[in-house]
Amino acid sequence: AQSVTQPDIHITVSEGASLELRCNYSYGATPYLFWYVQSPGQGLQLLLKYFSGDTLVQGIKGFEAEFKRSQSSFNLRKPSVHWSDAAEYFCAVGGLTGGGNKLTFGTGTQLKVEL
Amino acid sequence: DTGVSQNPRHKITKRGQNVTFRCDPISEHNRLYWYRQTLGQGPEFLTYFQNEAQLEKSRLLSDRFSAERPKGSFSTLEIQRTEQGDSAMYLCASSRGSGGHQPQHFGDGTRLSIL
Repeated sequence: AQSVTQPDIHITVSEGASLELRCNYSYGATPYLFWYVQSPGQGLQLLLKYFSGDTLVQGIKGFEAEFKRSQSSFNLRKPSVHWSDAAEYFCAVGGLTGGGNKLTFGTGTQLKVEL
Repeated sequence: DTGVSQNPRHKITKRGQNVTFRCDPISEHNRLYWYRQTLGQGPEFLTYFQNEAQLEKSRLLSDRFSAERPKGSFSTLEIQRTEQGDSAMYLCASSRGSGGHQPQHFGDGTRLSIL
């Protein structure tokens, strides 16, 4: 069964500081990996995805993530955080099932940005 | 594209009542997913459609839940005889077919509160 672990429930960083959000997954084959961001009362917005090729993927809003198969990790990074980045971040792994792609999400990391 | 649209945004009802939610996917997307998100958790997969065919249902989808996607366009999720535990955000997502790497685009969800 596929699963995702986001070990940090809350993270606080200062505006302008760098950010790394951790994600570890469990999946039997090559995973499809995603990072989504959710603002309060809103749906999820896709930041970036990985399914093959270059293990460092670039996303929107200046985010990037690196796939490390040996560590079963897909950590999200940003060199300089902006106050508007405060939100909840979800890592997800996708698995082919019935022809579809059921996503399994982690429990999320709540990011707070101090001005 | 106009994005995934969900209605209503909020639904408050008494325990035991039936409720129905609607999701309009991105027009060219043939896959449609329903997820449920409770407070402090990531979304959990409920069910998935490829066009009008419902191809997978989670164990979370009890007999009180039913989903349809007539003509492969919009979808409805109905909960009969609602219970306190049904209080959650119900998220709809859609994606193009062919391949698990196609990202899912989420709507803003319907928040259900059971009194």
